[in-house]
Amino acid sequence: QLVLTQSPSASASLGASVKLTCSLSSGHSTYAIAWHQQQPEKGPRYLMKVNSDGSQSKGDGIPDRFSGSSSGAERYLTISSLQSEDEADYYCQTWDTGILVFGGGTKLTVL
Amino acid sequence: EVQLVESGGGLVQPGRSLRLSCAASGFTFDDYAMHWVRQVPGKGLEWVSGISWNSGQIAYAVSVKGRFTISRDSAKNSLYLQMNSLRAEDTALYYCAKENSYDITTGYIDSWGQGTLVTVSS
Repeated sequence: QLVLTQSPSASASLGASVKLTCSLSSGHSTYAIAWHQQQPEKGPRYLMKVNSDGSQSKGDGIPDRFSGSSSGAERYLTISSLQSEDEADYYCQTWDTGILVFGGGTKLTVL
Repeated sequence: EVQLVESGGGLVQPGRSLRLSCAASGFTFDDYAMHWVRQVPGKGLEWVSGISWNSGQIAYAVSVKGRFTISRDSAKNSLYLQMNSLRAEDTALYYCAKENSYDITTGYIDSWGQGTLVTVSS
């Protein structure tokens, strides 16, 4: 069964960097994923697609501070030079034969 | 600029029906698959249903299969979700979402609407 696992929470200081992790379930390590950001009281926003080789495809207007990478069954979202508006929930998403699967989300707190 | 505007949400009694709509603009609607995703307030995202560019591929989450029907109208650039036999657990914010591809087998979402709230309660 295709499952995405994310840590429920993360925190980092203003101006620092943070790396969020999305883990693919066993047997699905070659799958690409997409990262989405949801700021408080807003709808989600697409950030980028991350492939198994670490290549990425960002959405329009996504700052260079946001980057993606991969290692094995792990997919990462790194946010550098953290700003207050980066405080949000971050969801990873993948797909399999017509169904979409979301991770449980990581709530990022900017200290 | 891609715009997805949902409507049709509201308060409905258990067992009743509701139809959600999503008006799309800023892209060639006929070229892309579309999805509905829902979110219980304070909880995570749950995929509900997806439809390919020509309605030839349709898929549903197990939780809604047999009760919900997704459809699209290219003349109106609109996506729909007919929800029947509604339950309390269907209460959520429903988002319309655009996929980056024409079918639903390569599916990552690259645009989202702002959502419409559905509350199922007596």
